[in-house]
Amino acid sequence: KQEVTQIPAALSVPEGENLVLNCSFTDSAIYNLQWFRQDPGKGLTSLLLIQSSQREQTSGRLNASLDKSSGRSTLYIAASQPGDSATYLCAGLNSGGSNYKLTFGKGTLLTVNP
Amino acid sequence: GAGVSQSPRYKVAKRGQDVALRCDPISGHVSLFWYQQALGQGPEFLTYFQNEAQLDKSGLPSDRFFAERPEGSVSTLKIQRTQQEDSAVYLCASSLFRGAGGSNQPQHFGDGTRLSIL
Repeated sequence: KQEVTQIPAALSVPEGENLVLNCSFTDSAIYNLQWFRQDPGKGLTSLLLIQSSQREQTSGRLNASLDKSSGRSTLYIAASQPGDSATYLCAGLNSGGSNYKLTFGKGTLLTVNP
Repeated sequence: GAGVSQSPRYKVAKRGQDVALRCDPISGHVSLFWYQQALGQGPEFLTYFQNEAQLDKSGLPSDRFFAERPEGSVSTLKIQRTQQEDSAVYLCASSLFRGAGGSNQPQHFGDGTRLSIL
């Protein structure tokens, strides 16, 4: 059974700082690893998706890496802004036959202070 | 363009009542997923549809939970004889993903239905 852990649970940084969020997973047989953002009272917004054959993906100030052998992924946010404040969730997509499911971590609550 | 739409946004029910939650996925999306998110936790998988076929319902907590997608578009999650532990946010997601060949397709989430059982 896949288990996903995110560290730290909460992070508070001053505006402009670069930061790294960590995600680890127990089952390396994933099809992809996804990072999401969740604002209070809202659903999830997909930020980056890394397929199992890839090592990293970049979008603007965001860069996500994937190391399947060690069961780890990181989300790097450059030059953080107050608008980046949200909960960040990582999830691994696994398969059991024809069934596919995302397993989520509990998230990292990020606060960027002006 | 239109995203995933869920209704109602909030639902309050008394213990023992039946509830029905609706999800309108993005048009053309083959796959549809339901998740349950408790306060302070990540979403937990409930069930997965590919078109009208329910391929995985292993995450449904009990036989009081039932999901359907009869025409391969709109889906309904029904909870019978609700209990207090059913209180959570129920999220729906859709995707062009159709198995391993679509592993580069992200899931698009609705804003969820916040269910409170009194």
